[in-house]
Amino acid sequence: SQQGEEDPQALSIQEGENATMNCSYKTSINNLQWYRQNSGRGLVHLILIRSNEREKHSGRLRVTLDTSKKSSSLLITASRAADTASYFCATDEGSYIPTFGRGTSLIVHP
Amino acid sequence: DSGVTQTPKHLITATGQRVTLRCSPRSGDLSVYWYQQSLDQGLQFLIQYYNGEERAKGNILERFSAQQFPDLHSELNLSSLELGDSALYFCASSASSGSTARYNEQFFGPGTRLTVL
Repeated sequence: SQQGEEDPQALSIQEGENATMNCSYKTSINNLQWYRQNSGRGLVHLILIRSNEREKHSGRLRVTLDTSKKSSSLLITASRAADTASYFCATDEGSYIPTFGRGTSLIVHP
Repeated sequence: DSGVTQTPKHLITATGQRVTLRCSPRSGDLSVYWYQQSLDQGLQFLIQYYNGEERAKGNILERFSAQQFPDLHSELNLSSLELGDSALYFCASSASSGSTARYNEQFFGPGTRLTVL
């Protein structure tokens, strides 16, 4: 069953705009990871944030984690058409096996 | 390229049949994970092997089985196939297992698309 749930399910923006995706989970975690999946391809790891961290950056990506609200957000700044993909959060609630949400489908229009 | 390879890329078969999916992990990775991705169920964890031994089980049906060989490649066997087994099957690998795996990213293969007719 899915533990992390992404929101929105789908997001459509213009190139150059920022894209924000959210992930909510149910119980305590040790870490939360974000992955990207291009259509029909394997998942690619983007960033891992530990439960004692509040914010992490990687290039145009910014991830925040609010353990009190059991939520995380992924911000992609200055989006590009190549960012079009599905984005998944994965949590390790109660286990070291990452549990994936259903993902947010992002479309960036050129 | 993640370094994880999966074969075949596509598989089309009939209900009731049995198929074997193969995965080679990244060089040096001892853990192999299998996932099933379908439109209605999302990405579901099936099973994990670490250095040849089963480590964790998820939503894996009794008709499905897996193993990891001494050279660390893994095979997922799906038998008595049903229409609902049509999905993308992903293999992922990571460097470690157990509690230390919490901080390890997983590297995913390109997947095998299984179609059961």
